[in-house]
Amino acid sequence: EAGVVQSPRYKIIEKKQPVAFWCNPISGHNTLYWYRQNLGQGPELLIRYENEEAVDDSQLPKDRFSAERLKGVDSTLKIQPAELGDSAVYLCASSLDGGLSTDTQYFGPGTRLTVL
Amino acid sequence: KQEVTQIPAALSVPEGENLVLNCSFTDSAIYNLQWFRQDPGKGLTSLLLIQSSQREQTSGRLNASLDKSSGRSTLYIAASQPGDSATYLCAVIPMGTYKYIFGTGTRLKVLA
Repeated sequence: EAGVVQSPRYKIIEKKQPVAFWCNPISGHNTLYWYRQNLGQGPELLIRYENEEAVDDSQLPKDRFSAERLKGVDSTLKIQPAELGDSAVYLCASSLDGGLSTDTQYFGPGTRLTVL
Repeated sequence: KQEVTQIPAALSVPEGENLVLNCSFTDSAIYNLQWFRQDPGKGLTSLLLIQSSQREQTSGRLNASLDKSSGRSTLYIAASQPGDSATYLCAVIPMGTYKYIFGTGTRLKVLA
């Protein structure tokens, strides 16, 4: 079974440029998460989707970040314009049902973003 | 606000040693606690999930315990191997939310 797929794996851009990340969750997983992981830190949740609905986006910087999950499967996370402080690894995860205490999240390999 | 702390931040041990990684959290109202492994340049791999009603979980050479009242969890690795070298992260899901709060991790290096 394929795991969570993310692309690109690495991205280097100049500040003020736009950038987009793509995630394909494990087949059948209803819940999708985007996390940001700064160097030497644990991941922090940006947004959580239940199917197509964003049920928790309280940590998403909405002035420059946007996300969508059309048809409740793939998801894209966009930053426009990027700032130096956005350099981090962006992780996507999915789970069967995010509302269960027994639910395990499965993580993709992440996209390492460098903003110059 | 839930905070998760992991000690030590880094650990280097010779192969074959048994070792303990520590995780503490400030609010005992959690749904579960999970231990993850992260290899360089890769995502996180779930190791063990302990529900709030449980006290420990075991998988192979790994044993994780949970003392919710004191806000502590330990990950015990028996007979460590060089392949165990990675960063180990613990995370809790606070009650009322369904999002993980992660610690900063322990970077483990097992020397051959």
